[in-house]
Amino acid sequence: GENVEQHPSTLSVQEGDSAVIKCTYSDSASNYFPWYKQELGKRPQLIIDIRSNVGEKKDQRIAVTLNKTAKHFSLHITETQPEDSAVYFCAASRGARVGGSEKLVFGKGTKLTVNP
Amino acid sequence: KAGVTQTPRYLIKTRGQQVTLSCSPISGHRSVSWYQQTPGQGLQFLFEYFSETQRNKGNFPGRFSGRQFSNSRSEMNVSTLELGDSALYLCASSTTQGPLWFGPGTRLTVT
Repeated sequence: GENVEQHPSTLSVQEGDSAVIKCTYSDSASNYFPWYKQELGKRPQLIIDIRSNVGEKKDQRIAVTLNKTAKHFSLHITETQPEDSAVYFCAASRGARVGGSEKLVFGKGTKLTVNP
Repeated sequence: KAGVTQTPRYLIKTRGQQVTLSCSPISGHRSVSWYQQTPGQGLQFLFEYFSETQRNKGNFPGRFSGRQFSNSRSEMNVSTLELGDSALYLCASSTTQGPLWFGPGTRLTVT
C-alpha cells in the first residue's frame, strides 16, 4: 500500500545552521507533496508544498526539492531559528481531483530542535 | 476568514460509549477530511467528504463513520469506543485542488 518514510525522526541543530528532512514515497502516482509544521499542542500548519511538475520550490528560508525518479523529496530550512523548533511532517497524495483533495499519506514526523 | 473550527476540543469517554465530533470548515471550502493522530501511528486518514458525499475512506473499522451537511459542516462518529481510540482527531478543509487546512483537533480520551 501507500507509504511515506521520513528521516530522521529527531534532529537537533544550532541556531543559524541548516536543517534537512528527507522523505521517500512508495506510490508512483503521487504528485502532490506538502510539508506541515506542528508545534506542541497546536494544529499542523502548511509551510510549503510542491507538485510533481516542479523540481524545487523556495519560500524565504524554506525550500523543498523533489526527485520523482527516486520517489524522494526533502525539506531544507536555512538559517534556523529557535522558533523553527517543532515536529515537521511530510505527506504525499495523488493530487487534488476536481472537487476535492485526495487523501494525504503522512510520514511519521521529525522533531526538530534548534538550540540557541 | 475564520479558520477550521472543531468542537468539542476535549472529550473523555468510557469504553463502549459512542462519541460525535463536529467540524466547521473555512467558509467556501467544500471538501472536509478527517485524520486521527496518535504518538504511535502518526497521522492517519479516516475519510473525506465533498458535497455531502464520502469520496474516500481510510483503513478504519466500521465503528468510525462520518457525514457532511449541505453547509459543508461535517461530523464524525465513533461507536463502541475502545481504549485504542484515544487520539487527537483532526479535521481539515480545502478548496478544489487546494491544500488542506487543519482545525485545532478534538482530544479524545477513552477510559
